[in-house]
Amino acid sequence: AQSVAQPEDQVNVAEGNPLTVKCTYSVSGNPYLFWYVQYPNRGLQFLLKYITGDNLVKGSYGFEAEFNKSQTSFHLKKPSALVSDSALYFCAVRDSGGYNKLIFGAGTRLAVHP
Amino acid sequence: KAGVTQTPRYLIKTRGQQVTLSCSPISGHRSVSWYQQTPGQGLQFLFEYFSETQRNKGNFPGRFSGRQFSNSRSEMNVSTLELGDSALYLCASSWDRGSYEQYFGPGTRLTVT
Repeated sequence: AQSVAQPEDQVNVAEGNPLTVKCTYSVSGNPYLFWYVQYPNRGLQFLLKYITGDNLVKGSYGFEAEFNKSQTSFHLKKPSALVSDSALYFCAVRDSGGYNKLIFGAGTRLAVHP
Repeated sequence: KAGVTQTPRYLIKTRGQQVTLSCSPISGHRSVSWYQQTPGQGLQFLFEYFSETQRNKGNFPGRFSGRQFSNSRSEMNVSTLELGDSALYLCASSWDRGSYEQYFGPGTRLTVT
C-alpha cells in the first residue's frame, strides 16, 4: 500500500536560516510527489511537484524539493526562511490505483521565529 | 482566473440530518476530487469525479456520495450525519487526470452537534 511519512510534527527555524521539511514515501512504481501548504482557515496551496526528470524541483515562493529515489525521500527546502512561511506543510503521493487520488502525510507545522 | 470555490464555508447540522456541499472548479478543469480533513485522521480522499462519472472512491461509508454536473461543478452529500463527520471538507480541481496538480478550495467547515 502506498504511504507518505512526515517524521516531524513541528520544525522550528529562525528567520533567514535555511529550512528543511522531511518527507519519505512508499509506492509501487514511479512516484508522483507533491508538496502543499495550508494557512489557518484556508485550503491547501500547491507548492511543487515531481513527476520525472531533474531531481531538484523548484516551486512557488522560493521553495524547492529534492527527490531521492534510493532513500525514497522528497524533502522540501528553502534557502532563507521568512516568518510568513509559518504554516502547515503536507507531502502527498499520487495513489498508483487512482489518477487524482492523493495520499497525504500527517503534515508538519513550520514555525519561523523572528 | 478565479480559484476553486466552495459553498457554504461553514455549516452546523444536527445528528441524523443530511447535508449537501457544493464545489465550483477552476474554469476549464474537468476533474474534481473531495477530501475530508480532521485532526485525528488527517487528509483523506473521499472520491473523484471526471466527465460526470465517479472515477475513484475512498474508504468511506455509503452515506457519503457525490455527483458532477456537465459544467464540472460538483456536489457531495452526507446523509444521516454522525458526530464523527465533523470536519473540513476540501474540494480540489485539476485540468485532467494523471500528473496534473490539484488546486484546492478553501473548504467547508461542517460541525455536527
